[in-house]
Amino acid sequence: DIQMTQSPSTLSASVGDRVTITCRASQSMSTWLAWYQQKPGKAPKLLIYKASSLESGVPSRFSGSGSGTEFTLTISSLQPDDIATYYCQQYNSYPWTFGQGTKVEIK
Amino acid sequence: EVQLVESGGGLVQPGGSLRLSCAASGFTFSSYSMSWVRQAPGKGLEWVSVISGSGGITHYADSVKGRFTISRDNSKNTLSLQMNSLRADDTAVYYCAITGIALAGRFDHWGQGTLVTVSS
Repeated sequence: DIQMTQSPSTLSASVGDRVTITCRASQSMSTWLAWYQQKPGKAPKLLIYKASSLESGVPSRFSGSGSGTEFTLTISSLQPDDIATYYCQQYNSYPWTFGQGTKVEIK
Repeated sequence: EVQLVESGGGLVQPGGSLRLSCAASGFTFSSYSMSWVRQAPGKGLEWVSVISGSGGITHYADSVKGRFTISRDNSKNTLSLQMNSLRADDTAVYYCAITGIALAGRFDHWGQGTLVTVSS
């Protein structure tokens, strides 16, 4: 199984800050990686797929990069609406697996 | 508008069974793979199972293999998850999700979830 490890687990930043979340895979997996945003009490929402492709309707301040074993999700200018937990997910091989999540808070 | 509405959750005793359903609308259901993903209270996301658009291909997480069965009825636009031999650690919100064409692997759209509680 491919293990996904996110860092940090919690992130506190100010409105307007550039925020970066890292996701590391236990083995190489090309770019078969997605990022999701989950707000409290809500279902997750797809933000990024294939490591760097922005899902339709997602604000352009979100971007993804990486390949192999290291991936990043960047929010270029943090907004109050971005308060949520973010998950990475690999779909390179079964079982598909998620990172443990990164909670983003406003400082 | 794409809509996924889960139902069938509830309280069940350990060792019991439950059948979840997901009613889909707003897209060509039979063209898309579908998955179940669960989230234990206060925990992260765990993929459970996926089924191809035709229903001919299925995959399961090791934690549910042999106990859960995913199926679909393309004539009724409905996805199902039959859960047997339930355990306390199956307690979670269960989401159905569109998983793209040809088992693409990413979860494009999610339902609101249904809570399953396994407890005596």
